[in-house]
Amino acid sequence: TQLLEQSPQFLSIQEGENLTVYCNSSSVFSSLQWYRQEPGEGPVLLVTVVTGGEVKKLKRLTFQFGDARKDSSLHITAAQPGDTGLYLCAGVKNQGGKLIFGQGTELSVKP
Amino acid sequence: DSGVTQTPKHLITATGQRVTLRCSPRSGDLSVYWYQQSLDQGLQFLIQYYNGEERAKGNILERFSAQQFPDLHSELNLSSLELGDSALYFCASSVGRLNEQFFGPGTRLTVL
Repeated sequence: TQLLEQSPQFLSIQEGENLTVYCNSSSVFSSLQWYRQEPGEGPVLLVTVVTGGEVKKLKRLTFQFGDARKDSSLHITAAQPGDTGLYLCAGVKNQGGKLIFGQGTELSVKP
Repeated sequence: DSGVTQTPKHLITATGQRVTLRCSPRSGDLSVYWYQQSLDQGLQFLIQYYNGEERAKGNILERFSAQQFPDLHSELNLSSLELGDSALYFCASSVGRLNEQFFGPGTRLTVL
């Protein structure tokens, strides 16, 4: 069983569309991170959310941590082909503890 | 560039063989993590070292072992290789209580 469930697993959209990726769990996390990975490369950290209800923005990307710190979402506005990649959420249950990764959402943005 | 280096980039070997993957963390990072990524399993945590000592273990097989040296670089040893060990192996280093990780470019291992 996956501790962090991401949905959807695959998403193919046209340039300019908006999308939301979800990361859900029945467990509480002390913090949650989002990474983006391009083919053949290592994941790159996008953001870390720590406080329940926290919202962080990174240009066209908006990240939210659920009030109960069990879930998170990533919303992309006006997606561009450069947003194509694998988006991974990862949670830490205890400070300094190991990172638990979701299965990832494979996003393809077509021009 | 994350500042984490891994060698080699690609490795092709045969079943039953043994290989060593190398990783140098970012300057100043004391923690090193190893992950295995395959198409069907996603990114799986293998093992963590902190300042030379094993800190946490994940889904690491007994055929696999790792160590971290005094200069903080780390090696992952994979032995008695099987076809199913073919995957991308990533090393990451981190600093701080939030455990934010910086990944290397990975080693793609192909076992034939």
